[in-house]
This record gives sequence, structure tokens and C-alpha cells, in this order.
Amino acid sequence: GQQVMQIPQYQHVQEGEDFTTYCNSSTTLSNIQWYKQRPGGHPVFLIQLVKSGEVKKQKRLTFQFGEAKKNSSLHITATQTTDVGTYFCAGPLLIYNQGGKLIFGQGTELSVKP
Amino acid sequence: DTAVSQTPKYLVTQMGNDKSIKCEQNLGHDTMYWYKQDSKKFLKIMFSYNNKELIINETVPNRFSPKSPDKAHLNLHINSLELGDSAVYFCASRLGHQNPEAFFGQGTRLTVV
Repeated sequence: GQQVMQIPQYQHVQEGEDFTTYCNSSTTLSNIQWYKQRPGGHPVFLIQLVKSGEVKKQKRLTFQFGEAKKNSSLHITATQTTDVGTYFCAGPLLIYNQGGKLIFGQGTELSVKP
Repeated sequence: DTAVSQTPKYLVTQMGNDKSIKCEQNLGHDTMYWYKQDSKKFLKIMFSYNNKELIINETVPNRFSPKSPDKAHLNLHINSLELGDSAVYFCASRLGHQNPEAFFGQGTRLTVV
């Protein structure tokens, strides 16, 4: 079945360092979404990428969608302690004539040392 | 006003008991989900409801049964709880699959002892 793989599983950085998490799908995706879950919290939607090769920025966060629409990355420049949490990518599995479901990657847990 | 609300937030119960988790969304969404998050943070979809009809039923044990009295509610009932059911359960909702954003509830941490 369709799988969404995410690496690394954990990343520990010093505050001010950059951070990147990578997401790969076994199938071509119509779009990809990114979510952030703070410790003890719930996943919160960050962004959706739709177009092949698309790049979007949110302040220090840069999101990319691969040309083949099978991979994506999230890069954080100059991490801050507020960036701590688990970052998930999610791709839709579309079933004909039914609602879709989101398949989540395993997540990358980011810790930032002040 | 909470968009997606789950109750209870914490649930501790003994093996063999039956329990329910409630979920309500006030966003007017037509699709609701239940996810299970294990200790490694992996989010696994359990059920999806669209316009009150179960459209995807993952290979979860039939001890788990979703119940949707109306479009704004999707409750999760669990029979004969087992130790392995301990996890955080998240309810989520979305406006069909055209709108990208899924809104998650605060989660219910279930501990089976």
C-alpha cells in the first residue's frame, strides 16, 4: 500500500543551527501537507504544496515539493526554542468516489538546545 | 470556541472495560477522522466518516466502533480494552478532500492498566 517515509526520526540541534526533515512517498502525490505537533499538543496544519517543484516560505521555514511529486522537505533556518516539536508530512490517498484520507509520515522530532 | 473538541482528555481504565471517546466539530466540515498515535508518535488512521457514512475502515480490531449521530459528531467506542490499546487518540475533521487543512482535537490519552 501507499507509504510515506520521513527522516530523520530525531534531530537535536543547538539554537541557531539549521534543521531539515525529508519526506518520501512510494507513490506520486497530488499534494503534500506539513503539520507541527508541540510536545503534549496536537498536530497543527502548517502548509500545503500542490505543484511540482513548488517552494513556499513561512518566515524561517522553507517547504519544497519535488519535481516528481514524490518527495518533500522542510527546512528551518536558525532554529529557535519555539521550533521544538514533531514535524509531520502527510499525503492524501484518494479513493475514487469517496473522501480521501491523509497518510502521515513517521514524523521528525526536533529538540533545540538553548 | 474550540473547533474540534474531544472528551475526555485523559482516560485510565482497566483491561476488559468498555469506554467511549467523544468528538465534536463546529466547523461545518463533512469529513471526520480518528487517528491513533503510539508511543513513537506514529499517527495511524483508524476511521474516516464523510457525511455520516463510513467510507474507510482501516484494519483495526472490531472492538473499535465509530459512531456518528450527526455530521458534527464522531464518537469512538472501544469494547474489551486491552493493554495495547494504550495510546493517544486524535479526532480530526476536514472539509472534504478539496480543502487541505485537517483540524485536530486536543487528543485523548488512553491508559489501560
